[in-house]
Amino acid sequence: DVKVTQSSRYLVKRTGEKVFLECVQDMDHENMFWYRQDPGLGLRLIYFSYDVKMKEKGDIPEGYSVSREKKERFSLILESASTNQTSMYLCASSTTGGSNTGELFFGEGSRLTVL
Amino acid sequence: GDSVTQMEGPVTLSEEAFLTINCTYTATGYPSLFWYVQYPGEGLQLLLKATKADDKGSNKGFEATYRKETTSFHLEKGSVQVSDSAVYFCALSDGSSGYSTLTFGKGTMLLVSP
Repeated sequence: DVKVTQSSRYLVKRTGEKVFLECVQDMDHENMFWYRQDPGLGLRLIYFSYDVKMKEKGDIPEGYSVSREKKERFSLILESASTNQTSMYLCASSTTGGSNTGELFFGEGSRLTVL
Repeated sequence: GDSVTQMEGPVTLSEEAFLTINCTYTATGYPSLFWYVQYPGEGLQLLLKATKADDKGSNKGFEATYRKETTSFHLEKGSVQVSDSAVYFCALSDGSSGYSTLTFGKGTMLLVSP
């Protein structure tokens, strides 16, 4: 089974802490994405990467950074967590070209609570 | 920029009822259109897609037709089951780049009672 695995399903952090959310995919996909999901707002794109060491800002990059040192791994970093970053974070991957172009494969999500 | 508008929920139905969830979009060019489903406690998974005008996507009894003239991609199912209770997201891919970011609607919760 192809999979996108997010390292933590639930996290509780304090304001000001540095937070790492890890995502690994086993499909050899070129593209990886981080979204946040909030009630009434749907999914909003934070950052994405189309190649190792490459990153692009999405719609809401403020307060976040990312790292992609290996093709299969894409990390989301909150340098100094704030309460308004309490959310569900979803990682996804996709390939470029072929019949699956545009289809995203999602992980199960990481629910982060910042106190 | 691109945008997707879908009907607000929750949509509450009895088992075996007919389902329609409306989705309209705004995009330049010729996007691909998707419906994703999120079951409780899980991530999103692709339900169906259509890549060009008049294409019909279908899966698990769900259907949606890509209507360019009305910029719509409404999701339908003839007879819903309790197990269809989930949040449904309409999305588009602008396809202008190789990595195809998706723009999502806000999601519609479907609740099906026995």
